[in-house]
Amino acid sequence: SQELEQSPQSLIVQEGKNLTINCTSSKTLYGLYWYKQKYGEGLIFLMMLQKGGEEKSHEKITAKLDEKKQQSSLHITASQPSHAGIYLCGAATIAFQGAQKLVFGQGTRLTINP
Amino acid sequence: DAGVIQSPRHEVTEMGQEVTLRCKPISGHNSLFWYRQTMMRGLELLIYFNNNVPIDDSGMPEDRFSAKMPNASFSTLKIQPSEPRDSAVYFCASTRDSITYEQYFGPGTRLTVT
Repeated sequence: SQELEQSPQSLIVQEGKNLTINCTSSKTLYGLYWYKQKYGEGLIFLMMLQKGGEEKSHEKITAKLDEKKQQSSLHITASQPSHAGIYLCGAATIAFQGAQKLVFGQGTRLTINP
Repeated sequence: DAGVIQSPRHEVTEMGQEVTLRCKPISGHNSLFWYRQTMMRGLELLIYFNNNVPIDDSGMPEDRFSAKMPNASFSTLKIQPSEPRDSAVYFCASTRDSITYEQYFGPGTRLTVT
């Protein structure tokens, strides 16, 4: 079965600093999803990557999928308090009629200090 | 759109009692997923439906857990009898049949079994 390992498990950074979260898969990734979760709330979709070498950006968050499609990174530039939360990567395993079954990493807890 | 709706948001029950969690997916979405999140095990897929039919229930922990989707706009996850180790946050998510379409998560139900 596919497993995802996220690193680091937790991260504390000063407001304004850049940071990177990694997600490594035990198998080739056919679709990699990044979600953000705030305590007590559901998951908010950030980005999805499918092609090797693909890179997407939304505001100050950039996600990349490496050429071999076994690792993804999430980079936040000039972090803000609003970026605090838990970031989870999810890997598509079986595509049934298009809908993807996801396996998630353990999450990275991000704290932004003022 | 109201998003994925889950009820109740919080549930506290005693061991041995029956618990029913409810989910209303986003209109037009034909795949529905039930997840469980705990500190120890992270976010785990329990079961998912496509066009109201259960496709994969391999994540359901044991026979005490059952899920139904009687129509396209409603699903339930039932635990009978409940045990303290069932305490977790249960999420429902829905999506369309598209390989590029993300899953939308509900706010979750926090279950505490005493």
